[in-house]
Amino acid sequence: GQNIDQPTEMTATEGAIVQINCTYQTSGFNGLFWYQQHAGEAPTFLSYNVLDGLEEKGRFSSFLSRSKGYSYLLLKELQMKDSASYLCAVERTARQLTFGSGTQLTVLP
Amino acid sequence: DAGITQSPRHKVTETGTPVTLRCHQTENHRYMYWYRQDPGHGLRLIHYSYGVKDTDKGEVSDGYSVSRSKTEDFLLTLESATSSQTSVYFCAIRTGGGSSYEQYFGPGTRLTVT
Repeated sequence: GQNIDQPTEMTATEGAIVQINCTYQTSGFNGLFWYQQHAGEAPTFLSYNVLDGLEEKGRFSSFLSRSKGYSYLLLKELQMKDSASYLCAVERTARQLTFGSGTQLTVLP
Repeated sequence: DAGITQSPRHKVTETGTPVTLRCHQTENHRYMYWYRQDPGHGLRLIHYSYGVKDTDKGEVSDGYSVSRSKTEDFLLTLESATSSQTSVYFCAIRTGGGSSYEQYFGPGTRLTVT
């Protein structure tokens, strides 16, 4: 079976750095996605990690450790518009994604 | 937005009626997906397609069927809608390949079954 865990809620201050963790146990693993979803909108692609290590894209970075079943999304220089739900998703071997329940991030002024 | 549209965007229907949701893409991507999103469950895969007339079930496929007769269209049908199928439905496509690929979502369809 599949199990993906991420914190339900997090709060951080504008300008700060926040790390959202995701742990997973799945049968089959191709890669790991991170998405951002604002309320009432569709998920927006942020990153896709296949190999171990850190991938950086501007203010957002994503890390993967396949041996530990662990990933994190790092958001730097937080802005109010970063308040959203962040979804971790594992791609299994059949090109299917299994999503975690999401982490609701609130950025405070 | 990778050229994905969904129709209708909102629908209210009665229990027992058939409902078809349409996903349309303009870029000839091979893989297309249907998800539903519910509070407390996150996004769950219903069905997916890896080419014309090639489809497979996801984790919550009971009560749903799909068809893909053209590359650009992927239809999701609820043969007899139930209240438990009230949800937001998202279509997605997969782009790229190998170690560099992305999955983009359409704008969603909010379905209410009364």
